[in-house]
Amino acid sequence: QVQLVQSGAEVKKPGASVKVSCKASGYSFTDFYMHWVRQAPGQGLEWMGQINPNSGGTNYAQKFQGRVTMTRDTSIRTAYMELSRLRSDDTAVYYCAKEVRAFDIWGQGTMVTVSS
Amino acid sequence: DIQMTQSPSTLSASVGDRVTITCRASQSISSWLAWYQQKPGKAPKLLISKASTLESGVPSRFSGSGSGTEFTLTISSLQPDDFATYYCQQYNTYSTFGQGTKVEV
Repeated sequence: QVQLVQSGAEVKKPGASVKVSCKASGYSFTDFYMHWVRQAPGQGLEWMGQINPNSGGTNYAQKFQGRVTMTRDTSIRTAYMELSRLRSDDTAVYYCAKEVRAFDIWGQGTMVTVSS
Repeated sequence: DIQMTQSPSTLSASVGDRVTITCRASQSISSWLAWYQQKPGKAPKLLISKASTLESGVPSRFSGSGSGTEFTLTISSLQPDDFATYYCQQYNTYSTFGQGTKVEV
């Protein structure tokens, strides 16, 4: 079946970087945009950006410009989101989501905790 | 950027109630509007896309309407499994989510 499986929880210190992976299965990886969305504890959903797995082209939310990098490796059907210069308010669950009809399939989420 | 405003932020209801959640876009998004349900500790689940298209497997008590800047999600008869948080999302220009509506007892 179609699924997205994300990497495990991370604990990082302020100023560090984190890279979250999202492995796709059950569909043609390069046919559909992949998005990244985060959710801080007790808060709403926040769109971070998107990647075209076919071309590698990206678009980022203005808030994250300069700090986020989205990449993909088509040989292993995996998308990545790297966030740098982490701050405590980056503590959140990070989701990948595949787009066909809006965001129809989501990963299970990756908890990233930023703490000194 | 397109802003999405949901109301109410919290809704108290009982089983069997008809529930309506409203979402307003800061500019026209045609029908590029989706609704999601999220339960604690879980990823969001897509309920409705293109403003009114019900996803496969979603109960028919859920319906969506609207176009342009005004949209609604209606649950015709609230069931125990429906107590959750609901988000609208525009995907006309990249993506933006509403702030969410928690449906509680």
